[in-house]
Amino acid sequence: EAGVTQFPSHSVIEKGQTVTLRCDPISGHDNLYWYRRVMGKEIKFLLHFVKESKQDESGMPNNRFLAERTGGTYSTLKVQPAELEDSGVYFCASSPGHPNTEAFFGQGTRLTVV
Amino acid sequence: AQSVTQPDIHITVSEGASLELRCNYSYGATPYLFWYVQSPGQGLQLLLKYFSGDTLVQGIKGFEAEFKRSQSSFNLRKPSVHWSDAAEYFCAVGISGGYNKLIFGAGTRLAVHP
Repeated sequence: EAGVTQFPSHSVIEKGQTVTLRCDPISGHDNLYWYRRVMGKEIKFLLHFVKESKQDESGMPNNRFLAERTGGTYSTLKVQPAELEDSGVYFCASSPGHPNTEAFFGQGTRLTVV
Repeated sequence: AQSVTQPDIHITVSEGASLELRCNYSYGATPYLFWYVQSPGQGLQLLLKYFSGDTLVQGIKGFEAEFKRSQSSFNLRKPSVHWSDAAEYFCAVGISGGYNKLIFGAGTRLAVHP
């Protein structure tokens, strides 16, 4: 069974450019989460999808970040325009629809804004 | 406010020595507690979790953790460390009914000397 996959694994962009990160969850997982780790600090929650709906986006830092989940399958996280402080590792995770089950994490996308 | 504290940023142990990684949390309700590990170039892997029941939890790779409500702690232990255990370890508390909205600690980086 394929795990959670994220694309790209690394991205280096200039300040002001746009970057789109993609996450493919485990097939059949209704829940999809985005997290971010900035500058070796804590990994922080960004948002949670249940199927195609945003359940909780309380962790999104500002309106430069836009997350979508097309048809309840893969998800994209777009940063537009990127700022230096957006650099970090972006993790995606997915879990089944029933409670008390663990989330499975992808390898992360390392984003560097220069 | 909910928070997770991992007091040790870096720990170095000799191969074969015992290991204890500390984790303290602040959360008003009964917590769901997790330990994740990130090896170089890999994603976050769940080592073990505590939802309820026995406060001593066994995980993968020979790890265990003990939930102590009176101390708000969930320390991770291993009796004999292997060189392959060198990685970064994250303690996390799950909120929102266990749907994996996780609050992470800052992580503890473990180095293993031969």
